[in-house]
Amino acid sequence: DIVMTQSPDSLAVSLGERATINCKSSQSVLYYSNRKNYLAWYQQKPGQPPKLLISWASSRESGVPDRFSGSGSGTDFTLTISSLQAEDVAVYYCQQYYSTPPVTFGGGTKVEIK
Amino acid sequence: QVQLVQSGSEVKKPGASVKVSCKASGYTFSSYAMNWVRQAPGQGLEWVGWINTRTGIPTYAQGFTGRFVLSLDTSVSTAYLHITSLKADDTAVYYCAREEMTSITLKVWGQGTLVTVSS
Repeated sequence: DIVMTQSPDSLAVSLGERATINCKSSQSVLYYSNRKNYLAWYQQKPGQPPKLLISWASSRESGVPDRFSGSGSGTDFTLTISSLQAEDVAVYYCQQYYSTPPVTFGGGTKVEIK
Repeated sequence: QVQLVQSGSEVKKPGASVKVSCKASGYTFSSYAMNWVRQAPGQGLEWVGWINTRTGIPTYAQGFTGRFVLSLDTSVSTAYLHITSLKADDTAVYYCAREEMTSITLKVWGQGTLVTVSS
């Protein structure tokens, strides 16, 4: 199984500042034939189900603000919130779908306001 | 609109069983696989398994074989998660989530069902 490791576990960022979350996979999730990284990011607010933000490592879902961006390839990925807003307080998860089953998630990163 | 509506919270005693339902609407049920994800209190997301909504064939994650059963009733566009011989550490919110056609990403989620196992 591919193990997904996120860092940090939590971070506190001032409003308007940048938040950076890292995700590392135990093996590459890059499919060479199509050059796609099989990596997604989700946002989960308290009491709500997760929301898909980004798929294919960097492709934002419709309606997701452009302050959210994904980058990286192979085994190392980053979710960046360029200018943190109050409504971005949540737990963020990465997920690989390169080698399934099973689908595997990272442990989550809690983002709070400093 | 596309939505998944799950059954309500359950409180069960150890050893009992529970069946969580997930009713889909707004799309063709058999066109999208259904996944189930568990989230224990204060913990992260854990994939339980998925079911092929065309064939009814389920696939389970390790640790979710035996006591966990995924099933369908396509006549009412509903997926089910049945858990038997409940244990205290089955206490969690269980989500159903629709798998996208072109990737195993989960874009549409149910609201979650809290299953509490307590004596």
